[in-house]
Amino acid sequence: KQEVTQIPAALSVPEGENLVLNCSFTDSAIYNLQWFRQDPGKGLTSLLLIQSSQREQTSGRLNASLDKSSGRSTLYIAASQPGDSATYLCAVGGYNNNDMRFGAGTRLTVKP
Amino acid sequence: GAVVSQHPSWVICKSGTSVKIECRSLDFQATTMFWYRQFPKQSLMLMATSNEGSKATYEQGVEKDKFLINHASLTLSTLTVTSAHPEDSSFYICSARVQGASGYTFGSGTRLTVV
Repeated sequence: KQEVTQIPAALSVPEGENLVLNCSFTDSAIYNLQWFRQDPGKGLTSLLLIQSSQREQTSGRLNASLDKSSGRSTLYIAASQPGDSATYLCAVGGYNNNDMRFGAGTRLTVKP
Repeated sequence: GAVVSQHPSWVICKSGTSVKIECRSLDFQATTMFWYRQFPKQSLMLMATSNEGSKATYEQGVEKDKFLINHASLTLSTLTVTSAHPEDSSFYICSARVQGASGYTFGSGTRLTVV
Protein backbone atom coordinates (compact mmCIF):
# COMPACT_ATOMS: atom_id res chain seq x y z
CA LYS A 1 0.00 0.00 0.00
CA GLN A 2 1.33 3.39 -1.00
CA GLU A 3 2.40 5.59 1.90
CA VAL A 4 2.97 9.29 1.33
CA THR A 5 4.90 11.43 3.81
CA GLN A 6 5.32 15.17 3.83
CA ILE A 7 7.99 17.08 5.68
CA PRO A 8 7.84 19.47 7.42
CA ALA A 9 4.36 19.30 8.90
CA ALA A 10 4.39 23.05 9.43
CA LEU A 11 6.57 25.87 8.23
CA SER A 12 6.63 29.56 9.04
CA VAL A 13 8.76 31.94 7.01
CA PRO A 14 9.06 35.69 6.49
CA GLU A 15 7.78 37.14 3.27
CA GLY A 16 10.20 36.96 0.35
CA GLU A 17 11.92 33.74 1.31
CA ASN A 18 12.36 30.86 -1.05
CA LEU A 19 11.24 27.57 0.42
CA VAL A 20 11.07 23.86 -0.28
CA LEU A 21 8.38 21.40 0.70
CA ASN A 22 9.16 17.72 0.63
CA CYS A 23 7.12 14.69 -0.26
CA SER A 24 8.18 11.06 -0.21
CA PHE A 25 6.35 7.91 -1.26
CA THR A 26 7.04 4.24 -0.71
CA ASP A 27 5.97 2.68 -4.01
CA SER A 28 7.75 4.07 -7.06
CA ALA A 29 5.23 2.53 -9.48
CA ILE A 30 3.22 5.70 -9.77
CA TYR A 31 1.19 7.14 -12.60
CA ASN A 32 1.67 10.76 -11.61
CA LEU A 33 2.14 13.08 -8.69
CA GLN A 34 0.09 16.15 -8.00
CA TRP A 35 0.59 19.08 -5.64
CA PHE A 36 -2.46 20.79 -4.24
CA ARG A 37 -3.16 23.80 -2.15
CA GLN A 38 -5.91 23.80 0.46
CA ASP A 39 -7.09 26.89 2.26
CA PRO A 40 -8.80 26.45 5.66
CA GLY A 41 -12.26 24.94 5.29
CA LYS A 42 -11.97 24.85 1.53
CA GLY A 43 -11.50 22.30 -1.21
CA LEU A 44 -8.36 21.54 -3.16
CA THR A 45 -6.72 23.65 -5.81
CA SER A 46 -4.40 21.81 -8.16
CA LEU A 47 -1.01 23.51 -8.44
CA LEU A 48 1.18 21.23 -10.47
CA LEU A 49 0.88 17.80 -12.03
CA ILE A 50 3.95 15.73 -12.87
CA GLN A 51 3.63 12.64 -15.01
CA SER A 52 5.70 9.63 -14.04
CA SER A 53 7.89 10.17 -17.10
CA GLN A 54 8.62 13.78 -16.21
CA ARG A 55 11.15 15.22 -13.81
CA GLU A 56 9.70 18.62 -13.12
CA GLN A 57 6.95 21.10 -13.81
CA THR A 58 6.87 24.85 -13.36
CA SER A 59 4.10 27.35 -12.95
CA GLY A 60 4.95 30.91 -12.06
CA ARG A 61 6.80 30.95 -8.76
CA LEU A 62 6.23 27.24 -8.25
CA ASN A 63 8.47 24.43 -9.36
CA ALA A 64 7.86 20.78 -8.59
CA SER A 65 10.38 18.02 -9.15
CA LEU A 66 9.96 14.28 -9.21
CA ASP A 67 12.55 11.58 -8.58
CA LYS A 68 10.59 8.39 -8.98
CA SER A 69 13.46 6.05 -8.28
CA SER A 70 14.07 7.54 -4.87
CA GLY A 71 10.39 8.12 -4.18
CA ARG A 72 10.66 11.86 -3.69
CA SER A 73 9.14 15.08 -4.89
CA THR A 74 9.80 18.65 -3.88
CA LEU A 75 7.74 21.77 -4.29
CA TYR A 76 9.81 24.92 -4.53
CA ILE A 77 8.14 28.25 -3.88
CA ALA A 78 10.12 31.32 -4.86
CA ALA A 79 9.76 34.73 -3.26
CA SER A 80 7.00 33.64 -0.90
CA GLN A 81 4.07 35.95 -0.22
CA PRO A 82 1.51 36.09 2.62
CA GLY A 83 -1.09 34.91 0.10
CA ASP A 84 0.83 31.65 -0.20
CA SER A 85 -0.20 30.75 3.34
CA ALA A 86 -2.16 27.50 3.12
CA THR A 87 -1.76 23.77 3.50
CA TYR A 88 0.09 22.11 0.66
CA LEU A 89 -0.78 18.52 -0.12
CA CYS A 90 1.16 16.03 -2.15
CA ALA A 91 -0.81 13.23 -3.77
CA VAL A 92 0.41 10.22 -5.70
CA GLY A 93 -1.65 8.57 -8.41
CA GLY A 94 -1.16 4.83 -8.68
CA TYR A 95 -1.43 2.53 -11.65
CA ASN A 96 -3.12 -0.36 -9.90
CA ASN A 97 -5.85 1.32 -7.96
CA ASN A 98 -6.21 4.31 -10.20
CA ASP A 99 -6.71 6.56 -7.20
CA MET A 100 -4.70 9.11 -5.30
CA ARG A 101 -2.99 8.76 -1.95
CA PHE A 102 -2.36 11.90 0.00
CA GLY A 103 0.32 13.02 2.37
CA ALA A 104 -0.67 14.73 5.60
CA GLY A 105 0.27 18.10 4.19
CA THR A 106 2.57 20.96 5.09
CA ARG A 107 0.92 23.94 6.73
CA LEU A 108 2.70 27.03 5.44
CA THR A 109 2.54 30.46 7.03
CA VAL A 110 4.22 33.38 5.30
CA LYS A 111 4.53 36.36 7.60
CA PRO A 112 4.41 39.90 6.21
CA GLY B 1 -10.93 22.59 -17.80
CA ALA B 2 -12.73 19.68 -16.24
CA VAL B 3 -14.99 20.69 -13.38
CA VAL B 4 -16.56 18.61 -10.65
CA SER B 5 -19.46 20.30 -8.92
CA GLN B 6 -20.16 19.15 -5.36
CA HIS B 7 -23.25 19.98 -3.32
CA PRO B 8 -24.03 20.95 -0.69
CA SER B 9 -20.96 22.86 0.40
CA TRP B 10 -22.01 22.56 4.02
CA VAL B 11 -24.78 20.84 5.92
CA ILE B 12 -25.85 20.56 9.53
CA CYS B 13 -28.06 17.64 10.45
CA LYS B 14 -29.46 16.01 13.52
CA SER B 15 -28.05 12.77 14.82
CA GLY B 16 -29.84 9.80 13.31
CA THR B 17 -30.78 11.44 10.04
CA SER B 18 -29.30 10.78 6.62
CA VAL B 19 -27.46 13.23 4.40
CA LYS B 20 -26.84 12.98 0.66
CA ILE B 21 -23.86 14.59 -1.02
CA GLU B 22 -23.75 14.92 -4.80
CA CYS B 23 -20.85 15.20 -7.17
CA ARG B 24 -21.39 15.99 -10.82
CA SER B 25 -18.86 16.11 -13.60
CA LEU B 26 -19.95 19.14 -15.59
CA ASP B 27 -18.08 18.87 -18.87
CA PHE B 28 -16.77 15.36 -18.99
CA GLN B 29 -17.82 11.83 -18.26
CA ALA B 30 -16.50 10.25 -15.12
CA THR B 31 -16.71 6.49 -15.10
CA THR B 32 -14.94 6.50 -11.77
CA MET B 33 -15.19 8.91 -8.88
CA PHE B 34 -13.40 8.81 -5.58
CA TRP B 35 -14.74 9.83 -2.20
CA TYR B 36 -12.45 11.18 0.49
CA ARG B 37 -12.93 12.21 4.09
CA GLN B 38 -10.83 14.72 5.94
CA PHE B 39 -10.91 15.21 9.69
CA PRO B 40 -9.67 18.49 11.15
CA LYS B 41 -5.97 19.05 10.65
CA GLN B 42 -5.57 15.69 8.98
CA SER B 43 -5.07 14.75 5.38
CA LEU B 44 -7.56 13.28 2.97
CA MET B 45 -8.31 9.62 3.41
CA LEU B 46 -9.82 7.62 0.57
CA MET B 47 -13.14 6.14 1.59
CA ALA B 48 -14.36 4.46 -1.54
CA THR B 49 -14.15 4.27 -5.29
CA SER B 50 -17.38 4.80 -7.12
CA ASN B 51 -17.84 3.01 -10.44
CA GLU B 52 -20.59 3.88 -12.87
CA GLY B 53 -23.09 1.08 -13.16
CA SER B 54 -21.50 -1.16 -10.57
CA LYS B 55 -20.95 -1.44 -6.86
CA ALA B 56 -18.53 0.86 -5.14
CA THR B 57 -15.28 -0.41 -3.73
CA TYR B 58 -14.74 0.54 -0.11
CA GLU B 59 -11.46 1.00 1.72
CA GLN B 60 -10.75 -1.12 4.73
CA GLY B 61 -12.53 0.15 7.81
CA VAL B 62 -15.20 2.09 5.93
CA GLU B 63 -18.72 0.81 6.57
CA LYS B 64 -20.45 0.32 3.24
CA ASP B 65 -23.88 0.18 4.87
CA LYS B 66 -23.31 3.52 6.51
CA PHE B 67 -21.78 5.32 3.56
CA LEU B 68 -23.96 4.46 0.59
CA ILE B 69 -22.51 5.31 -2.78
CA ASN B 70 -24.49 5.43 -5.98
CA HIS B 71 -23.01 6.13 -9.40
CA ALA B 72 -26.00 5.75 -11.67
CA SER B 73 -24.75 7.86 -14.56
CA LEU B 74 -21.49 8.96 -16.11
CA THR B 75 -21.86 12.42 -14.61
CA LEU B 76 -23.26 11.86 -11.16
CA SER B 77 -22.08 10.09 -8.04
CA THR B 78 -23.72 10.43 -4.65
CA LEU B 79 -22.60 9.63 -1.13
CA THR B 80 -25.29 9.16 1.50
CA VAL B 81 -24.28 9.18 5.13
CA THR B 82 -26.99 7.12 6.80
CA SER B 83 -28.00 7.46 10.44
CA ALA B 84 -25.37 10.13 10.92
CA HIS B 85 -23.69 10.55 14.28
CA PRO B 86 -21.48 13.35 15.61
CA GLU B 87 -18.37 11.32 14.88
CA ASP B 88 -19.30 11.43 11.19
CA SER B 89 -18.79 15.17 11.22
CA SER B 90 -16.05 15.77 8.72
CA PHE B 91 -15.12 17.30 5.39
CA TYR B 92 -16.13 15.06 2.49
CA ILE B 93 -14.71 15.61 -0.96
CA CYS B 94 -15.00 13.82 -4.26
CA SER B 95 -12.69 13.62 -7.22
CA ALA B 96 -12.68 12.26 -10.72
CA ARG B 97 -10.11 11.52 -13.31
CA VAL B 98 -10.81 12.87 -16.76
CA GLN B 99 -10.60 10.19 -19.41
CA GLY B 100 -7.75 10.72 -21.81
CA ALA B 101 -6.09 13.19 -19.47
CA SER B 102 -3.98 13.00 -16.40
CA GLY B 103 -4.47 14.31 -12.96
CA TYR B 104 -7.56 14.45 -10.87
CA THR B 105 -10.18 17.11 -10.49
CA PHE B 106 -11.73 17.67 -7.11
CA GLY B 107 -15.07 18.96 -5.98
CA SER B 108 -15.16 21.86 -3.56
CA GLY B 109 -16.01 19.63 -0.63
CA THR B 110 -18.88 19.31 1.82
CA ARG B 111 -18.55 20.23 5.47
CA LEU B 112 -20.88 17.93 7.42
CA THR B 113 -21.72 18.72 11.02
CA VAL B 114 -23.90 16.30 12.93
CA VAL B 115 -25.46 17.67 16.10
